[in-house]
This record gives sequence, C-alpha cells and structure tokens, in this order.
Amino acid sequence: GAVVSQHPSWVICKSGTSVKIECRSLDFQATTMFWYRQFPKQSLMLMATSNEGSKATYEQGVEKDKFLINHASLTLSTLTVTSAHPEDSSFYICSATSYSGNTIYFGEGSWLTVV
Amino acid sequence: AQTVTQSQPEMSVQEAETVTLSCTYDTSENNYYLFWYKQPPSRQMILVIRQEAYKQQNATENRFSVNFQKAAKSFSLKISDSQLGDTAMYFCAFMKHRDDKIIFGKGTRLHILP
Repeated sequence: GAVVSQHPSWVICKSGTSVKIECRSLDFQATTMFWYRQFPKQSLMLMATSNEGSKATYEQGVEKDKFLINHASLTLSTLTVTSAHPEDSSFYICSATSYSGNTIYFGEGSWLTVV
Repeated sequence: AQTVTQSQPEMSVQEAETVTLSCTYDTSENNYYLFWYKQPPSRQMILVIRQEAYKQQNATENRFSVNFQKAAKSFSLKISDSQLGDTAMYFCAFMKHRDDKIIFGKGTRLHILP
C-alpha cells in the first residue's frame, strides 16, 4: 500500500482563494519532503524542499509567498497555494525518504484546478 | 547543477518486442544514484530500477535492465518482452549521494502496441 499519502486527490477552487494540500508519510518519519509540480505532458519540476521544524528551501523561480510550505511534524508537510489563479492549476506531487530502507516514496499526487 | 536529458519524447513498439530508452546526464559528482521511474495514466510514480554510481554492474529487475556508462554519463533502460502494461511515461532521474532531491528528465512517452 501507499506509504506516502496526499490529500486531497482532486480539488477545485475559485480564483483568489487558498487551498491546502497535505503530504503524509504513513509508517515512517520524514525529516525532509519534496514538493513537485507537473504540467500536462511535462516532467516533474521540483518546487521546494520541506524541512521539518524549519523553513522550506525553494527552487529558483518558485514564489515563496504563493506556495507556502509547512512541515510541522515528522510525518506531515503541507503545501498551501495562496491567492490561487488559473495558471496555478496543475498536478502537485510530494516525495519522502524512508531511511530504514533508503527508499524514496511518492505520494499519489493532487490535481488542482482553479476556476 | 545537474541535468538529465531524455532525447526521445515518444516511442512506440509492438508487444513482446524489446525497446531501449535513452538518458544522458551531466554532473561533477562522483557518488550519485540514477533511477528510471514509470508514470502510468494514474500519475502514480513507480520506481522501475535504481543504479548506484559506484557499482559497475548494471542493475536489472526482471524484464528491465540498464546500460550504465559512467564515463559517458549515459543510463539507458532496456525493456524486454514488452507488455501492454508497460505503456506509460518513463522518467530518467538523478540524485546526489546524501541528498534526497531528485532531478528528472523530461520523460519519454512509451506506447506498447497490441
């Protein structure tokens, strides 16, 4: 079964509102999680590194104030898209590493549609 | 900065045939990992195969094998006896040693034809 879970799988929101996506590691602790964005028919683009207990590290070109990342516990990271616009519509996916097995797990992904 | 290049945007092969997907990468690191991930229409990322750069032996997983050429910075994926369920997007990916950040190539869309 999935060891990294994302919620919600699908979300539709209105322009100007904020939406939160959760990424949970179900049976292991993850001090670091990663958030990716994938446009249709394109590759995964790394947005940011989510660090438990500290600020996220954003990749160049990613707006920190628009994509708020909070890693409040060892099993949960959240991505909040603030003041969403239609161009923020995309597939967002997270990953986390289980060091016991040195395996990287990906969440199932979350489709965001801003209308 | 590391880069991963997949030069084949799309490929089609007949079922049961063998297909090879190409991947090259650029890095100044000596210790790193390379991956092939499969992304079917469900969008779930599935690890196909993983290679540690310090290992000379090419990784294999059942019908999937790689040709890892470290000096040439090449990491191709061979799928033998291809099956309809192999139809998916395939991403080549790179990760530095002691770093969980994965850098993906642009992907190759593979169609297995009946």
